[in-house]
Amino acid sequence: DAGVIQSPRHEVTEMGQEVTLRCKPISGHNSLFWYRQTMMRGLELLIYFNNNVPIDDSGMPEDRFSAKMPNASFSTLKIQPSEPRDSAVYFCASSFQGAPGGYTFGSGTRLTVV
Amino acid sequence: KQEVTQIPAALSVPEGENLVLNCSFTDSAIYNLQWFRQDPGKGLTSLLLIQSSQREQTSGRLNASLDKSSGRSTLYIAASQPGDSATYLCAAPNSGNTPLVFGKGTRLSVIA
Repeated sequence: DAGVIQSPRHEVTEMGQEVTLRCKPISGHNSLFWYRQTMMRGLELLIYFNNNVPIDDSGMPEDRFSAKMPNASFSTLKIQPSEPRDSAVYFCASSFQGAPGGYTFGSGTRLTVV
Repeated sequence: KQEVTQIPAALSVPEGENLVLNCSFTDSAIYNLQWFRQDPGKGLTSLLLIQSSQREQTSGRLNASLDKSSGRSTLYIAASQPGDSATYLCAAPNSGNTPLVFGKGTRLSVIA
């Protein structure tokens, strides 16, 4: 298995631009999580899906953030418009809910908004 | 709401030393607890997963213990090596089997 795949690895964009981060979870996993990591706040959960359905988006900082999971093998996190304070590393993780399995993380997307 | 605390925030030890990293959590009604390793600029690698019914898990030189009643977990690293230098993160669910809440991590440096 190729693991959780995220793209792009790095993204540099100008303030005000739309940014789309992508994630392909491990095949067979039915839960998907988006986390954001900063030096100040550590790893924070943004949103998670079970069986492609958003369950809790209370961690999404503002309406500028949105996430979708149109099918079991793909999810996106979109920021529109982006701001410099959105600069962080965004991680996607997947797991199989209901079984004693742990989380597998992708390599992350390092976002820099200038 | 689950809170996960890791002590110490940073640790520097000479090569060959045995060491213990500590993790505490506030809500003991957890399904499992997971330890991760993160190298600088990299993603998270799962080290050990302890189910709520277990007291410890071992993988090579690593041993993780779980005491739900006291809200504590420890990661023991035997005979530390420079390659063990990384940040170690502890994570527990908010409750039951809900998403993981992470501690801030312990940054470990093993000096040759």
